[in-house]
Amino acid sequence: NAGVMQNPRHLVRRRGQEARLRCSPMKGHSHVYWYRQLPEEGLKFMVYLQKENIIDESGMPKERFSAEFPKEGPSILRIQQVVRGDSAAYFCASSPSRGLRAGNEQFFGPGTRLTVL
Amino acid sequence: AQSVTQLGSHVSVSEGALVLLRCNYSSSVPPYLFWYVQYPNQGLQLLLKYTTGATLVKGINGFEAEFKKSETSFHLTKPSAHMSDAAEYFCAVSEYNQGGKLIFGQGTELSVKP
Repeated sequence: NAGVMQNPRHLVRRRGQEARLRCSPMKGHSHVYWYRQLPEEGLKFMVYLQKENIIDESGMPKERFSAEFPKEGPSILRIQQVVRGDSAAYFCASSPSRGLRAGNEQFFGPGTRLTVL
Repeated sequence: AQSVTQLGSHVSVSEGALVLLRCNYSSSVPPYLFWYVQYPNQGLQLLLKYTTGATLVKGINGFEAEFKKSETSFHLTKPSAHMSDAAEYFCAVSEYNQGGKLIFGQGTELSVKP
């Protein structure tokens, strides 16, 4: 059973360009979470999605950032007009069901390391 | 708002020595608690978790953690450190009915000296 896949693993963009980060959850998982890890910091929650729905986007910056999880295909985190402060590692995690009533674990992908020049 | 504090951003131990990584959370309602490990340039791997029941939780690679409600703590321990334990360790919490999103501490980098 393949784990959570993220691509690309490394992405370099110039200021003002767009960055698209992809996440394929584990087979059978319909819940996806995105987290951002800035240098020397812990991970910060960004957004929680189910298929075709954004459930919680309380951690997303108000501008330039968007996320989707279509019925078919991977989840996409999109950053428009990137700035140097967007340089970070972006991690995706997937879970088989909502919440943690049963203590469901989130399985993390290897991350995409975005560098903005 | 819920927060997680990990005391010590860097901890260094000798091989074979006790490992103790500290984690405190702020919620007045006991949350779900997790410890994750991150090796360089990799994603996070779950070490152990506390949801309900026994407060001493055993995880992978010989690690364990004890939930202490009165101290709002969930410290991670391992009796004898191994060189392969060198990594970054993150404590995280999640609250019931919050959709499962994790709130992480800032991390503790563990170094193991031969």
